[in-house]
Amino acid sequence: GAGVSQSPSNKVTEKGKDVELRCDPISGHTALYWYRQRLGQGLEFLIYFQGNSAPDKSGLPSDRFSAERTGESVSTLTIQRTQQEDSAVYLCASSLIQTVETQYFGPGTRLLVL
Amino acid sequence: EDQVTQSPEALRLQEGESSSLNCSYTVSGLRGLFWYRQDPGKGPEFLFTLYSAGEEKEKERLKATLTKKESFLHITAPKPEDSATYLCAVQALSSGSARQLTFGSGTQLTVLP
Repeated sequence: GAGVSQSPSNKVTEKGKDVELRCDPISGHTALYWYRQRLGQGLEFLIYFQGNSAPDKSGLPSDRFSAERTGESVSTLTIQRTQQEDSAVYLCASSLIQTVETQYFGPGTRLLVL
Repeated sequence: EDQVTQSPEALRLQEGESSSLNCSYTVSGLRGLFWYRQDPGKGPEFLFTLYSAGEEKEKERLKATLTKKESFLHITAPKPEDSATYLCAVQALSSGSARQLTFGSGTQLTVLP
């Protein structure tokens, strides 16, 4: 079956604009994660979904960041009033609830805030 | 705070020249340690999970080992197609229901033909 897909693959926006990033997980994967990867750095955890609920939002860097998930499938990460420091690759991963340790990653969305 | 440090940051090898990548970690109780491979422009690809000191996992030319303080990814007779960034991550017992991963910054491996 298809892997995790993300769109857009690249996004260039102006400072202060809002952006929406989309993640389509592997079918049947109840657990979904968002990570941020800055250039030359490791992945930073942002938020975790179990089904449509988010029991852990501790990684969201500010209230400008929000995420939702519907139908235990598609998830959207929204960044409001983007800042230059938001420039990064945003990665989505999914897994079965039983095997949350084995996360399958999408290709990421490369966000550049000018 | 959980921390993961990978070394070296970059490694260049000749084809067939075996070597090891290091992942040192500090975590308040280890649930698991993970190795991923990341090719340019792509998301990380899962390689191994290790759960306890002394455990070893192998896949083709790669072997991962784990001690109480570090993990090694041994690459035997590497080929150019093994060139990638290798990421190490840990999952702490305290990470709760999310079981979030803490990643190192990776080792960029280049294997020259």
